[in-house]
Amino acid sequence: GAVVSQHPSWVICKSGTSVKIECRSLDFQATTMFWYRQFPKQSLMLMATSNEGSKATYEQGVEKDKFLINHASLTLSTLTVTSAHPEDSSFYICSARWQRNTEAFFGQGTRLTVV
Amino acid sequence: GQQLNQSPQSMFIQEGEDVSMNCTSSSIFNTWLWYKQDPGEGPVLLIALYKAGELTSNGRLTAQFGITRKDSFLNISASIPSDVGIYFCAGQRETSGSRLTFGEGTQLTVNP
Repeated sequence: GAVVSQHPSWVICKSGTSVKIECRSLDFQATTMFWYRQFPKQSLMLMATSNEGSKATYEQGVEKDKFLINHASLTLSTLTVTSAHPEDSSFYICSARWQRNTEAFFGQGTRLTVV
Repeated sequence: GQQLNQSPQSMFIQEGEDVSMNCTSSSIFNTWLWYKQDPGEGPVLLIALYKAGELTSNGRLTAQFGITRKDSFLNISASIPSDVGIYFCAGQRETSGSRLTFGEGTQLTVNP
């Protein structure tokens, strides 16, 4: 299967600072990338869908000014958590797919802890 | 957002036993997917189902796409310790931009 890599795997930041998470498709061009958040012992909740070269589409209840998504190239999307607070601590996972009817592959996730 | 109803929530079984889990939805999905997630990792696709009634196997895993398109099940036969993890079902509709809707997950524990 195709490889999707996230960086960093884990990050600890101070409350009020911003943190950027990268999602890269290593061996294919991802026209669409998805960002999920997963709290402990819960399922994956879709935060936003980003298509290369256009603005991300956010799910209801997700603040677009707090979770900035950039999908500037076919192999890279970034999620920036701005002014992070302890309640933003979670496991953030991206997935990427080549085109509409193809399988989406998941990254290994990023554990964010805000202290 | 909407979630699928996945059951059971957790299972504790002995090595060698078979296991079954299922997902139901109040609405139709065009595709059903089953994933396994290990601690601290992203989900890994196990089986994808694209047609109502489809029965697909992947080694010891078998999954079926319900005829009504509102449910799916996953069976694991002759379980082994490395089957431990969280199993998620996911449904996909073309009308939703092909986004995935995930079930709540089934935590599987296999005792050697």
